[in-house]
Amino acid sequence: DVKVTQSSRYLVKRTGEKVFLECVQDMDHENMFWYRQDPGLGLRLIYFSYDVKMKEKGDIPEGYSVSREKKERFSLILESASTNQTSMYLCASSLSTGYGYTFGSGTRLTVV
Amino acid sequence: KNQVEQSPQSLIILEGKNCTLQCNYTVSPFSNLRWYKQDTGRGPVSLTIMTFSENTKSNGRYTATLDADTKQSSLHITASQLSDSASYICVVSASTGNQFYFGTGTSLTVIP
Repeated sequence: DVKVTQSSRYLVKRTGEKVFLECVQDMDHENMFWYRQDPGLGLRLIYFSYDVKMKEKGDIPEGYSVSREKKERFSLILESASTNQTSMYLCASSLSTGYGYTFGSGTRLTVV
Repeated sequence: KNQVEQSPQSLIILEGKNCTLQCNYTVSPFSNLRWYKQDTGRGPVSLTIMTFSENTKSNGRYTATLDADTKQSSLHITASQLSDSASYICVVSASTGNQFYFGTGTSLTVIP
């Protein structure tokens, strides 16, 4: 089974801090994604990457950046955390569009 | 516009009863549809995947149906258990581009 590992289950950060969320997958998947999940809004795509060093903006990229230096690792960066970025963040990977996702367990980020 | 809508938004049922969750989509061209189960505080886990030619797919007590003509899918849960309490998310992928479209989920609570 594909495993997608997110480095932290829970994080508490202060407003203005730079925050790194790490995601690693172990099955050589081409595609990796970062979503945030908020009550009533479902999953919203922040960024995705279909290859090393490649990235594409999703629906809500503002305030975020990403890095994919290696195929197995996709990092989400909050340059200056704000309280409205308090959310559950989910990383996912997929072999290609037709294969669906495997999700990580999520990181619940609280910005105070 | 590609959209996925789920109903009901939330549902409470007694343990042992059956229930059906609905997913309507407008995604085109259609590639496949997945149902995910997401336990509280966890990432979603895939239950079933259905392609255009499949009408029914079962996974234990979970049975998914797909009507590609009307662009509707349902997830039927038989003899519900307390552990079925979770959010159920419908995800539709398009056969062009690299896009997945998420419903906002149905929150199911099974009570004793």
